[in-house]
Amino acid sequence: QQQVKQSPQSLIVQKGGISIINCAYENTAFDYFPWYQQFPGKGPALLIAIRPDVSEKKEGRFTISFNKSAKQFSLHIMDSQPGDSATYFCAATELINYGQNFVFGPGTRLSVLP
Amino acid sequence: NAGVTQTPKFQVLKTGQSMTLQCAQDMNHEYMSWYRQDPGMGLRLIHYSVGAGITDQGEVPNGYNVSRSTTEDFPLRLLSAAPSQTSVYFCATARDRVYNEQFFGPGTRLTVL
Repeated sequence: QQQVKQSPQSLIVQKGGISIINCAYENTAFDYFPWYQQFPGKGPALLIAIRPDVSEKKEGRFTISFNKSAKQFSLHIMDSQPGDSATYFCAATELINYGQNFVFGPGTRLSVLP
Repeated sequence: NAGVTQTPKFQVLKTGQSMTLQCAQDMNHEYMSWYRQDPGMGLRLIHYSVGAGITDQGEVPNGYNVSRSTTEDFPLRLLSAAPSQTSVYFCATARDRVYNEQFFGPGTRLTVL
């Protein structure tokens, strides 16, 4: 029930195309759903996040779509650029004990071809 | 303003050796945590702390100890390293346990032979 599933494992997109990464969860106590971007040799950095009371959030070329009933959420990268080439992690979190239970998906390696 | 710093960047240990991974932050954040990242498994929470003197276990705490004597520092100790602890370790901070955005350090790549 703690698992966050993520697909695809890897994704190759042409410059200017749309990149779509999907995630699914089971734990209905999760109340915050962030996406992190990680470049090689660096720590993950928050890209965009959404709460379950909203169905969509857009920040620039990045959009999260959230389907609470299906327990699924996805990241869309419009007009993908070579600089977007990185590993993307979805995550879900809930408050527990003294802290937060952050559960990450296994990651999607995105390559944007020039 | 360094943010979150981790030392060392790389470390090679032999089975049974002990070591401490250092994490420091200058953002005055209450919440700090340690994750390990393994291929195909995302990041998994090892331990976390909501302030000086308060720590708790995450998903994969076995083989690791933590303590938090100051707001700034949150070291992770491996008491007797095992090959299964070969991984990349990330420290992360957040303003508090309720504020969700976490800031990650650059990581420590540990190899246990």
